[in-house]
Amino acid sequence: GESVGLHLPTLSVQEGDNSIINCAYSNSASDYFIWYKQESGKGPQFIIDIRSNMDKRQGQRVTVLLNKTVKHLSLQIAATQPGDSAVYFCAENIGKAAGNKLTFGGGTRVLVKP
Amino acid sequence: NAGVMQNPRHLVRRRGQEARLRCSPMKGHSHVYWYRQLPEEGLKFMVYLQKENIIDESGMPKERFSAEFPKEGPSILRIQQVVRGDSAAYFCASSPQGAEEKLFFGSGTQLSVL
Repeated sequence: GESVGLHLPTLSVQEGDNSIINCAYSNSASDYFIWYKQESGKGPQFIIDIRSNMDKRQGQRVTVLLNKTVKHLSLQIAATQPGDSAVYFCAENIGKAAGNKLTFGGGTRVLVKP
Repeated sequence: NAGVMQNPRHLVRRRGQEARLRCSPMKGHSHVYWYRQLPEEGLKFMVYLQKENIIDESGMPKERFSAEFPKEGPSILRIQQVVRGDSAAYFCASSPQGAEEKLFFGSGTQLSVL
């Protein structure tokens, strides 16, 4: 769910290593999830999405895993590159009945070390 | 195909003035969402509009804030009599009919109230 904080959790990763970013969501009725990447001064950029009837989805260098039992979502980035440095947000959607609005998590900052 | 376009990118207002933020959705998208983001925080939902209709304004303050999405032209988020606490980044997102939950974001308007 939503979290408010003064400092974002930070993940430091060596260039070339894999990154795993975790997210706990709040609503068991959520049926659609998106990961966004936000670079400084820019808007959130769509990375990958997954529906609740799936537990894994792969894209280019990214994989999203969904565990509905514990309401947990993760984003795996393979062979992390300097351009992957950004803040990553998960977002959940509880469906059309709730207006399709996305509820964002608090974000994780990823810093890629050369 | 141009993305979601927001203007201005930066807006400076003095306390008590009005702020108007504009958003042109992606071509073919008929759903517009406005979100607000404070530094080091996630995005908070404000309002969801379709052409000429407000679908959900549950995240928008009742006083001083209004939004519209006319039949012709961009969506407008209007803040009257701005106060320092209104300083934030305001992001617009759009989605297409039939995939309303898949939001694509603009680059945002950074509002600074002096």
